[in-house]
Amino acid sequence: RKEVEQDPGPFNVPEGATVAFNCTYSNSASQSFFWYRQDCRKEPKLLMSVYSSGNEDGRFTAQLNRASQYISLLIRDSKLSDSATYLCVVRGFQKLVFGTGTRLLVSP
Amino acid sequence: GAVVSQHPSWVICKSGTSVKIECRSLDFQATTMFWYRQFPKQSLMLMATSNEGSKATYEQGVEKDKFLINHASLTLSTLTVTSAHPEDSSFYICSATGTSALLYEQYFGPGTRLTVT
Repeated sequence: RKEVEQDPGPFNVPEGATVAFNCTYSNSASQSFFWYRQDCRKEPKLLMSVYSSGNEDGRFTAQLNRASQYISLLIRDSKLSDSATYLCVVRGFQKLVFGTGTRLLVSP
Repeated sequence: GAVVSQHPSWVICKSGTSVKIECRSLDFQATTMFWYRQFPKQSLMLMATSNEGSKATYEQGVEKDKFLINHASLTLSTLTVTSAHPEDSSFYICSATGTSALLYEQYFGPGTRLTVT
């Protein structure tokens, strides 16, 4: 079983739609959780950290359920520029473990 | 702030040759640098972790004699792919963490695309 699992997608949505991505992780000792965004042939960029209380950054909302070892990302009012691969990332001791990513395609 | 650069951004080499990739932290001191590899449609896989002045720690399955890592200064780490083969063709990305406030965030370089022919 992979340490971090994501639905690879792609998710095809129209502009303005709301889309949700899920992620599960297997290591209960994981300490920190993140969503990264990766554009084609580019390095990953930190989108937001994920906290147990849930957190929001503009159109993006992240949730963490430690008991279920489940992380989610909600994107509201999708923009064309949101098209990318979204990586669920979990930190153990110093190391980051990346999911394979979920590809999002936002169309006009 | 917290910029990491990589050089070269892409490289094509012949099978059997060696390739060196540089990773530099431009505006902070990187006590720890990480090297990742990403094959098409796959996730980033950590290859090794290097701390300045010490030997790198390699992940299971990564050949340390093939992927030589040097982290001789607080701003530079190098990855040398020795005797490269076509299966080593991949996207190699480094990241770095610094001290104090930067301790828990990794800053990624733009990556190096290696093609071995």
